[in-house]
Amino acid sequence: DARVTQTPRHKVTEMGQEVTMRCQPILGHNTVFWYRQTMMQGLELLAYFRNRAPLDDSGMPKDRFSAEMPDATLATLKIQPSEPRDSAVYFCASGRDTSAGGGTQYFGPGTRLLVL
Amino acid sequence: QQQVKQSPQSLIVQKGGISIINCAYENTAFDYFPWYQQFPGKGPALLIAIRPDVSEKKEGRFTISFNKSAKQFSLHIMDSQPGDSATYFCAASKGTYKYIFGTGTRLKVLA
Repeated sequence: DARVTQTPRHKVTEMGQEVTMRCQPILGHNTVFWYRQTMMQGLELLAYFRNRAPLDDSGMPKDRFSAEMPDATLATLKIQPSEPRDSAVYFCASGRDTSAGGGTQYFGPGTRLLVL
Repeated sequence: QQQVKQSPQSLIVQKGGISIINCAYENTAFDYFPWYQQFPGKGPALLIAIRPDVSEKKEGRFTISFNKSAKQFSLHIMDSQPGDSATYFCAASKGTYKYIFGTGTRLKVLA
């Protein structure tokens, strides 16, 4: 049963520290998404990769957030420096993009981040 | 124009009742409308999806009704069960894989 995996599942850190979240997409999927979920804002798209190339990171605060795909099996989301307002659940999702558009996005279990 | 408006924010239904969640959009270029279900502590998972060339799609107890002229679509859960208690998100996309999600509806089904 193929799944998206995310590490760590929980992270507590102090303001100003660097946070790195990792995602392993489902093998064979060519698109990866990073979302942030909070009670106030719901699900926000932070970044979107296709074939490891960033297509859209307009939802991401550029000054402190960065997203990369070093290879097809690993996506990373970094926050440096972290701030209390970054406290949220961060989800990675992957899927297989098709010419028809749309399709299922498979979400990982999320990383629950608390910045003190 | 990119927003998807979802209502209600929360919903309480008796076991066996019908749960109805509505979404509205502005961008007529949207061509794919999925619904995702999320249980506490889990990631969202695809429940059912529809394209605008059909007005209704049914999978088990879950039905999407789509009204292209009104730019609205809704999720109906028939014979609602306590196990359906979760947060439901509608979404829309246009020609790509990038979704615009609604704000979510927290459903509670009373036993």
